[in-house]
Amino acid sequence: AQKVTQAQTEISVVEKEDVTLDCVYETRDTTYYLFWYKQPPSGELVFLIRRNSFDEQNEISGRYSWNFQKSTSSFNFTITASQVVDSAVYFCALSSWLSNFGNEKLTFGTGTRLTIIP
Amino acid sequence: NAGVTQTPKFRILKIGQSMTLQCTQDMNHNYMYWYRQDPGMGLKLIYYSVGAGITDKGEVPNGYNVSRSTTEDFPLRLELAAPSQTSVYFCASSYHRGAENIQYFGAGTRLSVL
Repeated sequence: AQKVTQAQTEISVVEKEDVTLDCVYETRDTTYYLFWYKQPPSGELVFLIRRNSFDEQNEISGRYSWNFQKSTSSFNFTITASQVVDSAVYFCALSSWLSNFGNEKLTFGTGTRLTIIP
Repeated sequence: NAGVTQTPKFRILKIGQSMTLQCTQDMNHNYMYWYRQDPGMGLKLIYYSVGAGITDKGEVPNGYNVSRSTTEDFPLRLELAAPSQTSVYFCASSYHRGAENIQYFGAGTRLSVL
């Protein structure tokens, strides 16, 4: 069975500090995708990144970076020089095969609520 | 570019009432999904569809029904609403596995059953 654990329920940091959100996953699939979504106070879910299980290269996008380590089944998300607009709930998700039609189900973690204090 | 549109945004139902949550996407995605998000929890899959006329159950289908008559629309029907169905409902769509398997979500429908 698929499982995603986000052990940090809530994190608060002062603006401009760096912060890392942890994500640990369990799967028996050999091919899978990992995702991060952002849920700002307005409530919508915003896609941030997708990572293929065969690609362990770290990725950087502006102030955001992601560290994927297959050996520890982790896919952590770091925000550098945090800003108030980064305040949101962040979800890590894991894909798994859903049907013979080729679509996938996402298994979500319980989310980490990040508050950036001005 | 509208993406995935959900209506209504908010709704209050009385126990035993029925309603339909609407979901429309304009990205020509063949796969569509309904999830529910309970407080402090991740999203759980209710139903999904792989194309017009083809739907199947997810993890938590009890108390819900779906239909998919067109590529664009995937409504979720609640029959005999119960307090346990108080939740935020998200509709999502995606193209296909592999290259374009990103699920894009609507803004959600917040439902309270009292």
